[in-house]
Parts: sequence; structure tokens; C-alpha cells
Amino acid sequence: KAGVTQTPRYLIKTRGQQVTLSCSPISGHRSVSWYQQTPGQGLQFLFEYFSETQRNKGNFPGRFSGRQFSNSRSEMNVSTLELGDSALYLCASSLSRGGRQYNEQFFGPGTRLTVL
Amino acid sequence: GESVGLHLPTLSVQEGDNSIINCAYSNSASDYFIWYKQESGKGPQFIIDIRSNMDKRQGQRVTVLLNKTVKHLSLQIAATQPGDSAVYFCAEIGLHPGTYKYIFGTGTRLKVLA
Repeated sequence: KAGVTQTPRYLIKTRGQQVTLSCSPISGHRSVSWYQQTPGQGLQFLFEYFSETQRNKGNFPGRFSGRQFSNSRSEMNVSTLELGDSALYLCASSLSRGGRQYNEQFFGPGTRLTVL
Repeated sequence: GESVGLHLPTLSVQEGDNSIINCAYSNSASDYFIWYKQESGKGPQFIIDIRSNMDKRQGQRVTVLLNKTVKHLSLQIAATQPGDSAVYFCAEIGLHPGTYKYIFGTGTRLKVLA
């Protein structure tokens, strides 16, 4: 079974531009979560999508948005890029069966975004 | 590949020795804890988890210890190998209605010396 894929792997943008990152979850997984990873902050939760609906959201400004399609693929968008948005953006998918047992998240390789 | 974190605490261990990586967590109500391994240029990879009602769990060459009194988690790697070189970080999971929330630690870089 193929793992989580993210495109592009590397991206260079300038301040003020906007960017769209894509994530394809493992087949059959309906939950997709996005994280920002920086050396100083570690992994910070951005948002989670399930069945095309945002189910959970972290503490990021409105410049960060996302969406999920009917095939569970997800995109995240960052508008008006700032230097501090330079980071590794990770996507994780899970089955999300619900109940008391957490569902293991499987991570993609990430998209390295550099803002100049 | 890209470096995960340039300013992480580093643990250097001789090949064949045991490694102990520590993590302090914040939420005493967390339900599960996970250890992840992240190699350069890759996403985090699940190593082992432990439920909050346990204090020890063993896997293949790895053991996780949970001390709820001091909110401390540790990962022990036996007979450390060069392939174990990576960044390791813990995550605490809290179950909320309809979803679950992950909070990640910042990580420790493990360097295995030949």
C-alpha cells in the first residue's frame, strides 16, 4: 500500500506570495492533518480534515487555510507569505474510526517551504 | 536530505550501547503517548506507544517508560545501531469528542558513534 505523498517536496517563494501544498493520504484513510515543523517549535498542529470538513484547528492565523476533497486528498494554502513561514509542512493521514482508541497517524515526507 | 532541527539537544552514543531519550509532557489528562523517529528528509515514523494506564511497554529493542507522577516519558533503545541515528520526539494524545489531539515535543537528536 502506498504511503502518504506530498507535493511539491521543495518550494521557494518570496514574501507576499501565496502557496498551495498538496497531500494524498493512504488509500482508505479519511482523516488528514497538517503540521508545521520548525527547529525552534517542533511540530505545531495546523488543522485536521475529515470527510471534507475541518474537524480541528490549531492556533495559526487565517492566512493558513486548507480543504479536503471527496477522494480525501487535501490541500493547504498560505497567503501573504512571511519569512517566518519557512518550515517543513507535514501531512499525516489516519483511518479515524472514532471510539476510545486513537488512530495512528502516518506521516508524509513533507514539503520544505523557504520564504525569501 | 534536510535537517529536521539544527538546535536540538543531542545525545551521542557508542554503537552497541543502550540509549535513553527523555521527554517531559504537559497534560496529565493525556490518554496515550507515542515515540516517533524522524530521519533526515523524511516524515516522522511511529516507534512505539503506551497507554496512560500503563507504566512500561516493550517492543523490539525499544522500551518506553511512563512516570505519571512527574509527567515524564523515556525511550530506551537497546544495542544502539548506526541506523538509529535520527531525531526522536514524543507526542501526547488527548481524546476529545469526535477527534483526538496530538501535542509533540521538540525532539532529541541521537548520534550513534561507530
